Amino acid sequence: QVQLQESGPGLVKPSQTLSLTCTVSGGSISSGSYYWSWIRQPAGKGLEWIGRIYTSGNTNYNPSLKSRVTISVDTSKNQFSLKLSSVTAADTAVYYCAGGPGGRNLENWGQGTLVTVSS
Amino acid sequence: QSALTQSASVSGSPGQSITISCTGTSSDVGAYNFVSWYQHHPGKAPKLMIYEVSNRPSGVSSRFSGSKSGNTASLTISGLQAEDEADYYCSSYTISNTIIFGGGTTLTVL
Repeated sequence: QVQLQESGPGLVKPSQTLSLTCTVSGGSISSGSYYWSWIRQPAGKGLEWIGRIYTSGNTNYNPSLKSRVTISVDTSKNQFSLKLSSVTAADTAVYYCAGGPGGRNLENWGQGTLVTVSS
Repeated sequence: QSALTQSASVSGSPGQSITISCTGTSSDVGAYNFVSWYQHHPGKAPKLMIYEVSNRPSGVSSRFSGSKSGNTASLTISGLQAEDEADYYCSSYTISNTIIFGGGTTLTVL
């Protein structure tokens, strides 16, 4: 059973870059046709898909965040990462990493990590 | 991309059935049979309940079923149980190779 775990700073200052890493265990990040995604949920709001990556490095991003988002993968560490630049308070949310075959659904999720943007 | 449209809340008594709808456009829900449904208990990781409109992952109760007609997908939960009380989100793959979520529906079991 594939397991995912998010890690990274819980507090980021406005205008800085939010950086998170997702570690995949219980299987290779390169196996099968899995795509790996980042999703976030601001307090009291719904889920928002941020973007995804395939192990080839091919990425797709939410158009509303595309100018600020970079998702990368490190197959040697079985990890993929999220960078969100120029953050504001509106980026405060629980951030989840997730993965699924074919990239069209999200079969496995991490527990989520709260990132607060505040000075 | 605008969020898929879901009703904000739904409720039902134990044993009853409820249906949650999810309306999109011809660029997402109507474009492919790649609609998924997730159950989310606050503070926990969301759980995939239905994928590709009507398929259940291993371990998901047969009380959960999905369907789609045109640009609207639906999740039906039969034989409601207390543990079904949660937030439910639909999602769809889009013609732009992105994923879009619905706004979420809170299910209350009375």
